[in-house]
Amino acid sequence: DTGVSQNPRHKITKRGQNVTFRCDPISEHNRLYWYRQTLGQGPEFLTYFQNEAQLEKSRLLSDRFSAERPKGSFSTLEIQRTEQGDSAMYLCASSPGPLSRANTEAFFGQGTRLTVV
Amino acid sequence: AQRVTQPEKLLSVFKGAPVELKCNYSYSGSPELFWYVQYSRQRLQLLLRHISRESIKGFTADLNKGETSFHLKKPFAQEEDSAMYYCALSVSRGSTLGRLYFGRGTQLTVWP
Repeated sequence: DTGVSQNPRHKITKRGQNVTFRCDPISEHNRLYWYRQTLGQGPEFLTYFQNEAQLEKSRLLSDRFSAERPKGSFSTLEIQRTEQGDSAMYLCASSPGPLSRANTEAFFGQGTRLTVV
Repeated sequence: AQRVTQPEKLLSVFKGAPVELKCNYSYSGSPELFWYVQYSRQRLQLLLRHISRESIKGFTADLNKGETSFHLKKPFAQEEDSAMYYCALSVSRGSTLGRLYFGRGTQLTVWP
């Protein structure tokens, strides 16, 4: 599978623990996005990178959340001191350029499902 | 603020019947509109985008700026169309360039 890859697929953690998710985008895609999806809702934007630069962060991304893309390839999303409200599907997507450009689309991974108990 | 509204959470039709999934948006500039689809146990994938003006799997969607709508239509639904459909908006400029705003989704079920 040469699409966007996310690991782990599932994560169960106790409240207060830190978790880290990894996303490997499609090779040579310079844009990488993180979204969060809770039950019954559409994906909500968290942050995105162009190469290694984090260009935008949603206010949903509290100070307990941090994302990195150190070499402009894979990205990690860390949640510190997890809370039950963090339980959600975390989606990663990548695109070869701006979505406003014709023939540019965002390709999504299968997501990491986080359950905080 | 940018917003995408999908008023129907669930939609059921019989095979061969026409189907229309509604999407309304709010954005003061020139939007880019998309329909994404998620089949059971598969990842979210792009179905179509308004600037392409193409029909994918028999689906079409027309951007109506006057009504701020981007409804998805298919004249004859098939059982394999059963899936979750998300309407999404991307802004063309400004500080939020680059992100997609999604509606909450419509679960389409096509009965045999």
